[in-house]
Amino acid sequence: AAGVIQSPRHLIKEKRETATLKCYPIPRHDTVYWYQQGPGQDPQFLISFYEKMQSDKGSIPDRFSAQQFSDYHSELNMSSLELGDSALYFCASSPTGTSGRYEQYFGPGTRLTVT
Amino acid sequence: EDQVTQSPEALRLQEGESSSLNCSYTVSGLRGLFWYRQDPGKGPEFLFTLYSAGEEKEKERLKATLTKKESFLHITAPKPEDSATYLCAVQAAGTASKLTFGTGTRLQVTL
Repeated sequence: AAGVIQSPRHLIKEKRETATLKCYPIPRHDTVYWYQQGPGQDPQFLISFYEKMQSDKGSIPDRFSAQQFSDYHSELNMSSLELGDSALYFCASSPTGTSGRYEQYFGPGTRLTVT
Repeated sequence: EDQVTQSPEALRLQEGESSSLNCSYTVSGLRGLFWYRQDPGKGPEFLFTLYSAGEEKEKERLKATLTKKESFLHITAPKPEDSATYLCAVQAAGTASKLTFGTGTRLQVTL
């Protein structure tokens, strides 16, 4: 079965640089979520989109922005990177709104390292 | 604010030794409670959704149950390949609502 695709899988950036993470949801899933997971921590919600509109927002820094495109893929843009941004970034998708099911399926993640 | 507390933090079992993981939660308007399995460096893998108190779901050696305040993940006769971190999460009602996770239970199953 198709899964959530994230790219790149690994990314190394220097402080103050920018990074763009991409997410391709499972086909026919209309909702995308972004989470950040630091070492030894649980995933923390950043932002979500439903039908290409921002829906819910968590503790996402102002330096970060995201959007969902017409083909439902999503991008997380991160600017002025800080050492503390080093983490695993997960994208998840769900079929909310089309099937009444709400489980979120996670991608393999992008490991961001800021040096 | 939604809160999820999991216990124990870590659990070591011998192969075949059954046990239960606990997830206590507070949420305003529960839509669903979710269990995930996460291996190191990988994305959480969906296991179960529970929507209402009294509901039970089973998959192989795993069984999840739900009350109004907590959920249990029962592991029957575990095998070493069941070793992973098990995460519990809650979702409140609303469009594209976030998951609020607990800190997980690290399970190690030895021969």
